[in-house]
Amino acid sequence: GDSVTQMEGPVTLSEEAFLTINCTYTATGYPSLFWYVQYPGEGLQLLLKATKADDKGSNKGFEATYRKETTSFHLEKGSVQVSDSAVYFCALSRGNQGGKLIFGQGTELSVKP
Amino acid sequence: DTAVSQTPKYLVTQMGNDKSIKCEQNLGHDTMYWYKQDSKKFLKIMFSYNNKELIINETVPNRFSPKSPDKAHLNLHINSLELGDSAVYFCASSQGWQGAYEQYFGPGTRLTVT
Repeated sequence: GDSVTQMEGPVTLSEEAFLTINCTYTATGYPSLFWYVQYPGEGLQLLLKATKADDKGSNKGFEATYRKETTSFHLEKGSVQVSDSAVYFCALSRGNQGGKLIFGQGTELSVKP
Repeated sequence: DTAVSQTPKYLVTQMGNDKSIKCEQNLGHDTMYWYKQDSKKFLKIMFSYNNKELIINETVPNRFSPKSPDKAHLNLHINSLELGDSAVYFCASSQGWQGAYEQYFGPGTRLTVT
C-alpha cells in the first residue's frame, strides 16, 4: 500500500542554519504531496504542497520539489529561525481515496538561538 | 474566529466508559475527517465524511461511531473505552475530497484512558 517515510528526528539546528528534512514515498499513480507543520500543543497546518512531478511548493521560506524519478519531496529552508521549531509531517493523498492523507512519522525540529 | 474547533480539549476517563468528542467547522467545507495521533506522533485517518455521508472507514473498531448531523459538524462517539484508545484525536475539514485540497485541522482532543 501507499506509504511515506521521513528522516528520523529530532533534528537540532542553530539559528540561521540550512535545513533539509528528507521524505520519500511509495504510491501507485500520481499522488499529491504535502508538508504539514505542527507547533507545540496545536493542530497541523499546511506548509506547502505539490500536485504533479517537478512542481515546487513554497511558503514562508520553505521549499520542496516533487521528484517522481526519486519518489521524493524533501523539505528545505535556507535559514531557520527559533520560531520554526515544530514537528514536520510529509504526507500524500490520491484523488480517489476520500481525501485520505497518508502521513510520514513526523520529524521534530528544534532550533537553538 | 476558530475555523475548526473541538471539545473537549482534554478527556480523562476509565476503561469501559463511553465518551464523545465534538467537532465543528465554520469554513463552509463539504468534507470532514477524524485522525488519531498516537504517542509517537504517528497520524492515521479514521473516518472521512462528505456532505454528511461516510466515504472512508479505515478499519476502525465498531466501538468508534462517527455522526455528522450536518455539514458543519462531525462528532466521534467511543464505546467501551480501552487503554489503547489513549491518543490525541484531530478533526479536520476540507473544501472537497477529490483533489489536493488543503485540510484544516482542529487543535486536538487528548484522550487518556486509565
